[in-house]
Amino acid sequence: DAKTTQPPSMDCAEGRAANLPCNHSTISGNEYVYWYRQIHSQGPQYIIHGLKNNETNEMASLIITEDRKSSTLILPHATLRDTAVYYCIVRVVQGGSEKLVFGKGTKLTVNP
Amino acid sequence: GAVVSQHPSRVICKSGTSVKIECRSLDFQATTMFWYRQFPKQSLMLMATSNEGSKATYEQGVEKDKFLINHASLTLSTLTVTSAHPEDSSFYICSARVYVTDTQYFGPGTRLTVL
Repeated sequence: DAKTTQPPSMDCAEGRAANLPCNHSTISGNEYVYWYRQIHSQGPQYIIHGLKNNETNEMASLIITEDRKSSTLILPHATLRDTAVYYCIVRVVQGGSEKLVFGKGTKLTVNP
Repeated sequence: GAVVSQHPSRVICKSGTSVKIECRSLDFQATTMFWYRQFPKQSLMLMATSNEGSKATYEQGVEKDKFLINHASLTLSTLTVTSAHPEDSSFYICSARVYVTDTQYFGPGTRLTVL
């Protein structure tokens, strides 16, 4: 089972910041948080990941709370092409192997 | 960088036939690749972890004799759906792990339709 919970859907106006929340209250100390997005009928696209520090790259920023029980993905200036399903995933490592367990994600719709 | 390709992108086959799907890491070597399946309006489900030079590790409920995985090189993993049936129709997606960044990059997916 996925270790994360996300709102099923969100809307955002084009040009505004999109803030996508994620709860991962059972995360362990060495487990990373990954964000991917999936546009219809395509493979997921990697966005960003982090452990406990905030991270930023050319696509987005990731804010992780100090207790690591939740995080927020920020798309600073959303465009219509950012409409997708966004997955927040805790990478699980068990017995030397790792896996990404996908939840249902958040369907983000960017409106003109 | 970190590009993963899949071939074919779409395949239609008759019930009872076998279908092979290729997953390639184009600009990096991947000791570990993963195979996922996604049914309509559902999330991705991990089927198996493919390790170069060794046997794949299958998730619970995934039949290893039906979904044959071969990872013979550091840039290629294949998934063969044997004796396919209509219920195997799905979107199959692979990913390859970049060791240095511990990040999985996904292929574009293969749409399998079994008639």
